[in-house]
Amino acid sequence: QKEVEQDPGPLSVPEGAIVSLNCTYSNSAFQYFMWYRQYSRKGPELLMYTYSSGNKEDGRFTAQVDKSSKYISLFIRDSQPSDSATYLCAMSERNAGNMLTFGGGTRLMVKP
Amino acid sequence: GAVVSQHPSRVICKSGTSVKIECRSLDFQATTMFWYRQFPKQSLMLMATSNEGSKATYEQGVEKDKFLINHASLTLSTLTVTSAHPEDSSFYICSARDPNTNQPQHFGDGTRLSIL
Repeated sequence: QKEVEQDPGPLSVPEGAIVSLNCTYSNSAFQYFMWYRQYSRKGPELLMYTYSSGNKEDGRFTAQVDKSSKYISLFIRDSQPSDSATYLCAMSERNAGNMLTFGGGTRLMVKP
Repeated sequence: GAVVSQHPSRVICKSGTSVKIECRSLDFQATTMFWYRQFPKQSLMLMATSNEGSKATYEQGVEKDKFLINHASLTLSTLTVTSAHPEDSSFYICSARDPNTNQPQHFGDGTRLSIL
């Protein structure tokens, strides 16, 4: 079993839909949780990061962490074709900048 | 703007060639940089952690003599793929962390390496 599990998709939604992306993990020592967006042939771009449990909102993006269930989510409201990309969750233990454990990534396609 | 710059973005070369990839932190001094490898439709796989002024720490299964890492300054780490072969063809990505903050790593835009 992988340390971080993420549905690879692809996930196809119409423009304007609410998108829910999720990861589960097994290591209870993870404290920092990140979401990265990666366009084809580009490096990952940090979207959101949270510490411990709770919600964090930034524009159309909301990150949720439920440490009791070892489950994190990223919600995208009013999705746009430009949101089409691969979304990677990542986690670390003692420091947000330390060694990251990545999920496999979910490919999202937003159709006009 | 980008805080981590990676160069070159694309390399095509013959088998047996050695290829050097540079990773620079632009807005901060990075005592630690990371090198990843990514195959198509797969996630990032950590190859090694590059430490300024000391030897890199390699992940299990990564050949130290094949993938040479040098972190000679606080803003530059290099990865050299020595005597590259077609199986080394991949997408190589570096990242860096600012030691003065608790912020996540920033990633470069990657280098697509194709060995003919």
